[in-house]
Amino acid sequence: GENVEQHPSTLSVQEGDSAVIKCTYSDSASNYFPWYKQELGKGPQLIIDIRSNVGEKKDQRIAVTLNKTAKHFSLHITETQPEDSAVYFCAATPQNAGNMLTFGGGTRLMVKP
Amino acid sequence: NAGVTQTPKFQVLKTGQSMTLQCAQDMNHNSMYWYRQDPGMGLRLIYYSASEGTTDKGEVPNGYNVSRLNKREFSLRLESAAPSQTSVYFCASSEVHWRQLMNTEAFFGQGTRLTVV
Repeated sequence: GENVEQHPSTLSVQEGDSAVIKCTYSDSASNYFPWYKQELGKGPQLIIDIRSNVGEKKDQRIAVTLNKTAKHFSLHITETQPEDSAVYFCAATPQNAGNMLTFGGGTRLMVKP
Repeated sequence: NAGVTQTPKFQVLKTGQSMTLQCAQDMNHNSMYWYRQDPGMGLRLIYYSASEGTTDKGEVPNGYNVSRLNKREFSLRLESAAPSQTSVYFCASSEVHWRQLMNTEAFFGQGTRLTVV
């Protein structure tokens, strides 16, 4: 089955700096890669996703890149703000797996004002 | 606009007790899921239901049973709780386009924090 590894497990940045979270996956059949943000006491919420037919996707301060050859994908947050502080999860799934997600272990991002 | 609703939010059980976690979604999604979240391990799939009337095991199904009661509701049952089942449980739903083979956003509930002593 799929195995997703995520690094780092914790990340502390100064407000205004950029943050990068990296994930690797093992199953070459995976082709959908969502990123979820989880705030304290809440369920995960989708912030951006990317499919295997593109290498990069951007939504305002958030971008995701995908390298299918290396089986890497990364989340980039620019101009970080205190409200970006949360736990972020990457995930992967093949197209025909009914959206059953395999998650990475999570990254706790702390943005210091 | 409720989305995915889970009950209860918190629960403490003694070893050997049973309980059912309830989940309901109001988005008319065909697929529903139960995950557990443990520190450093992300979320792991326990069971899923591709459509009303069907259920299948995920990565960590041992010690659990599920029921897809109707299109809206998907419950998770612990028949004899063990301390290893102490975790935060999340229900999720999504609309899976099986014919188009397209994945879409999964919506999660607020979670149930379960402690087994």
